[in-house]
This record gives sequence, structure tokens and C-alpha cells, in this order.
Amino acid sequence: AIQMTQSPSSLSASVGDRVTITCRASQAIRNDLYWYQQKPGKAPKLLIYGASSLQSGVPSRFSGSGSGTDFTLTISSLQPEDFATYYCLQNYNYPPTFGPGTKVDIK
Amino acid sequence: QVQLQESGPGLVKPSETLSLTCTVSGDSISSSYWSWIRQPPGKGLEWIGYIYDSGTTNYDPSLKSRVTISLDTSKKQFSLKLTSVTAADTAVYYCARSVVVATRFDPWGQGILVTVSS
Repeated sequence: AIQMTQSPSSLSASVGDRVTITCRASQAIRNDLYWYQQKPGKAPKLLIYGASSLQSGVPSRFSGSGSGTDFTLTISSLQPEDFATYYCLQNYNYPPTFGPGTKVDIK
Repeated sequence: QVQLQESGPGLVKPSETLSLTCTVSGDSISSSYWSWIRQPPGKGLEWIGYIYDSGTTNYDPSLKSRVTISLDTSKKQFSLKLTSVTAADTAVYYCARSVVVATRFDPWGQGILVTVSS
């Protein structure tokens, strides 16, 4: 199975900060990469599909980029509601595999 | 707008079978992938498997021998059965819908905590 890693595992940031989270695949996955946001006690929410396409209804401060093995999720100006854990997911090879998550909390 | 709701026992004994149901409201159950994902307490997300409306299923290899996902279109429900459970199967179980691509999960149910304990 393809292994997904994320860095950092956690970060502290302030409202208004630009935040970048990295996801790396153990082998090339083209752009078959998804980003999910999960708030404590809640179900995950789809943010990005196809590595860079914004899911309908998701604020434009979220963006995704990358192809092959290296991907990034960027929040251009962190808002209070963005403090959460972010997971990447690959669907290029069976089985689909999630990254371990990046927790974003308040500095 | 599609909504999903998980239901089932919150406590299952070791070696027994975990059975959960996800009820779909607000849209047709056709032309979609219906998935189960779980999250052990304090840990990350794990894909369990999906069923397509044609009845095609796909499961995680590590669970394949113990998992069955089925679909009841008349009731607009799909179900998860996981046999021979152990404490390692304790998790919040989520159901989710996908269209176009099996892992484009949206929306998700709220999740149900299932504890495996005697």
C-alpha cells in the first residue's frame, strides 16, 4: 500500500497567518490526492479533490497544489474556524490511504 | 441535500459481529459510492470499504476477510458487518457518500462510537 506522510504533525499559528501543510506519498500518485478537515468531535469535511480543485462551498483561502509525490495545502489567512486537524488521502492505488494528520492549533 | 445517519449498538463483545446501518435521506441512493471509514480514539482515519449502487464492493485488504458492506435500496440504507471483533476495532465509525470517484467523501455521517469490550 502507498504510505502517506504529513508534515508537520502539528503547528501553532495565529489568526491571519499563512499556513502550509505538506503531504508526501511513498510513490507517485499523479494528482489523485484529497484534503479533509476535521474539527474535534465532528466528521471530516472535504476541502480539496484532485490535488487542487476546491470543493463547492469551501472558502477560497484554502488551496491545494502538487503532483506526483509532493503536495501542499495552504490556508492563505487563517481564521478562527480553521483550527482543526487536516488529513490527506490518496486514491491512486488500492487501497486508499490517509496521511496521519496535521493538527493546527492556536498560538 | 443528502444527509447520512449511522445507527447500531455502541458496545460489542470480543469475537462477536459489529453491525452498523447508515440511513440516507435527501437524495437517491443510486449512482453513488457508499463507504465506511473508521477512526480509533485519538488516532487517524482508516478506510474500510465501499459499495457502489450496482452492488460492486471493495474492501481494505487488512479487513477484507472480516468485512461485508451491503445495500438496501428500498430502505435507502447501507450496512457494515465486521466479524470476530477485538479491542482494536474500537473506533468511531463514519459512513459517507461519494460521486464520480470513490474517495471523494461528501457528505459524511456524524459518526458512531463502537466499543469492543466484554
